[in-house]
Amino acid sequence: AQSVAQPEDQVNVAEGNPLTVKCTYSVSGNPYLFWYVQYPNRGLQFLLKYITGDNLVKGSYGFEAEFNKSQTSFHLKKPSALVSDSALYFCAVRERAGKSTFGDGTTLTVKP
Amino acid sequence: EAGVTQFPSHSVIEKGQTVTLRCDPISGHDNLYWYRRVMGKEIKFLLHFVKESKQDESGMPNNRFLAERTGGTYSTLKVRPAELEDSGVYFCASSFRRGHLNEQFFGPGTRLTVL
Repeated sequence: AQSVAQPEDQVNVAEGNPLTVKCTYSVSGNPYLFWYVQYPNRGLQFLLKYITGDNLVKGSYGFEAEFNKSQTSFHLKKPSALVSDSALYFCAVRERAGKSTFGDGTTLTVKP
Repeated sequence: EAGVTQFPSHSVIEKGQTVTLRCDPISGHDNLYWYRRVMGKEIKFLLHFVKESKQDESGMPNNRFLAERTGGTYSTLKVRPAELEDSGVYFCASSFRRGHLNEQFFGPGTRLTVL
């Protein structure tokens, strides 16, 4: 069975500083990895995905994620955080049929 | 183009009552998924429709939950009778094609509170 772990419930950063939201995964085959963001009263929005290819994946709103096979990690990063990035972030791994397994979510707070 | 919509946005019911949640996927999307997030934990898969057929219902917690997608358009998720532990946010997602490569579009969710 596949699983996802987001070890931090909360991440706090100052505006303008780099941010990292951590994610590790466990799958039996090739990993298909996703990051989503949820703003208050909104649905999950797709940020980026890793299927194959370059380990550094670039996504929406200036976010990027680095796939590390040896560490089974897929951490979300942004060089310079904005207050508007404050939201709930979910990492997910997807099976070939489309069923997704999500982490518990990490609340990111960016302070001015 | 309209996104995935869910109704109601919030529902507060008493234990033992029945609640029906509705999801309208993006037009033309054959694949429809139900997920839920309970107690602020991870978002868990409930089931997957391809058109009107249940492709995978391995995540349905028990027989108090009934999902339908008659005609392969909108879907309903009925909880009867509701229990306290059913409280949470129920998300619906749709995609054009099945599989890991296809983007799933999520609705805003229905927040269910069982008192």
